[in-house]
Amino acid sequence: GAGVSQTPSNKVTEKGKYVELRCDPISGHTALYWYRQSLGQGPEFLIYFQGTGAADDSGLPNDRFFAVRPEGSVSTLKIQRTERGDSAVYLCASSLGDRGDGGELFFGEGSRLTVL
Amino acid sequence: AQSVTQLGSHVSVSEGALVLLRCNYSSSVPPYLFWYVQYPNQGLQLLLKYTSAATLVKGINGFEAEFKKSETSFHLTKPSAHMSDAAEYFCAVTERAGANNLFFGTGTRLTVIP
Repeated sequence: GAGVSQTPSNKVTEKGKYVELRCDPISGHTALYWYRQSLGQGPEFLIYFQGTGAADDSGLPNDRFFAVRPEGSVSTLKIQRTERGDSAVYLCASSLGDRGDGGELFFGEGSRLTVL
Repeated sequence: AQSVTQLGSHVSVSEGALVLLRCNYSSSVPPYLFWYVQYPNQGLQLLLKYTSAATLVKGINGFEAEFKKSETSFHLTKPSAHMSDAAEYFCAVTERAGANNLFFGTGTRLTVIP
């Protein structure tokens, strides 16, 4: 596709359940980022991939959160034992690569997660 | 750690009036600064960025921002607001030169009154 695609757009789950959120970046973009945006807040950095490897996972809040990018393209953010505080919009972004200038990030529309 | 502060979570202007959205950053090194816009039901889009070249940066849709080191500011302006400018605007800064992740402010929602 032309842009960053995220699925599902909306996910409602119960406390304690496992959730997977998928991101399909722009073709050819080697860098992929996950952010979390809570209500009334700006996006908060979670993790950054360069190719298949997580180059920076310092933003993951705890070990319930995990992300993979096995083939260097599609990425999945996995949340175990969800808690109500995990409710947020999860944003994925991609960019051309590790240019060190921040580059331009291209964002998807996000996956809205609601934990009941 | 780097951070940005956006003064005013909500700003209302009349159509045709000046738009001024404020952003101040904290940084111990020269930062890279960005403004992103989020239209309703759309993803964040880059408006403009400062990467230590010209201090006055021009972006899309008539927006511009000026990097003022003495004031640690990077305010976003547009001379004449249009109804289509109604959106949420986020200022962001890189953690350090060479970093790839961005730290975002809390955003300013711009309303344009006809």
